[in-house]
Amino acid sequence: GENVEQHPSTLSVQEGDSAVIKCTYSDSASNYFPWYKQELGKRPQLIIDIRSNVGEKKDQRIAVTLNKTAKHFSLHITETQPEDSAVYFCAASIRDLEMRFGAGTRLTVKP
Amino acid sequence: NAGVMQNPRHLVRRRGQEARLRCSPMKGHSHVYWYRQLPEEGLKFMVYLQKENIIDESGMPKERFSAEFPKEGPSILRIQQVVRGDSAAYFCASSPFASGKGMSNEQFFGPGTRLTVL
Repeated sequence: GENVEQHPSTLSVQEGDSAVIKCTYSDSASNYFPWYKQELGKRPQLIIDIRSNVGEKKDQRIAVTLNKTAKHFSLHITETQPEDSAVYFCAASIRDLEMRFGAGTRLTVKP
Repeated sequence: NAGVMQNPRHLVRRRGQEARLRCSPMKGHSHVYWYRQLPEEGLKFMVYLQKENIIDESGMPKERFSAEFPKEGPSILRIQQVVRGDSAAYFCASSPFASGKGMSNEQFFGPGTRLTVL
């Protein structure tokens, strides 16, 4: 089955700096790669996603890149703000719906 | 359209008791997933169900745990004879039926049930 690895497990940046979180996946059949943000005590919520037919997607300060050949994808947050502090999960979907999550990255943005 | 509903939000059980966690997917969603999250850890896939069928239960312990998604009513995650190690947040997510022709794969999460085993 699919195996998703995520790095780093913790990340601390200064407000205004960029943050990058990387994930790798094992199953070349995976075709959907979402990123979820989970604030303390809350449910995970989708912040951005990308499909295998696209190499990059951007939404304001958030961007995701996908390298299908290397089977890795990354989340980029620019101009970080304290409210970006949360745990971020990457995931990869094999076939259409089955999804496996990475272990999460705890991002702390220091004011 | 109400989001994914889970109840109870908090559940306290003594060792050896049974825990029943309920999940009502979003309207129109026929796929349900259960995840377990231990404190300070990631989401661990447990089971994936469609109406009346278990599609993938590879993440669910073979003993004491079971899940169902009946034709009518919510999906149920059942944990028998709970132990302290079962204490965790259990999240349910749902997604719409996808035919593989470009429909959304997004999983929408419920608020979770926090199980505490005394």
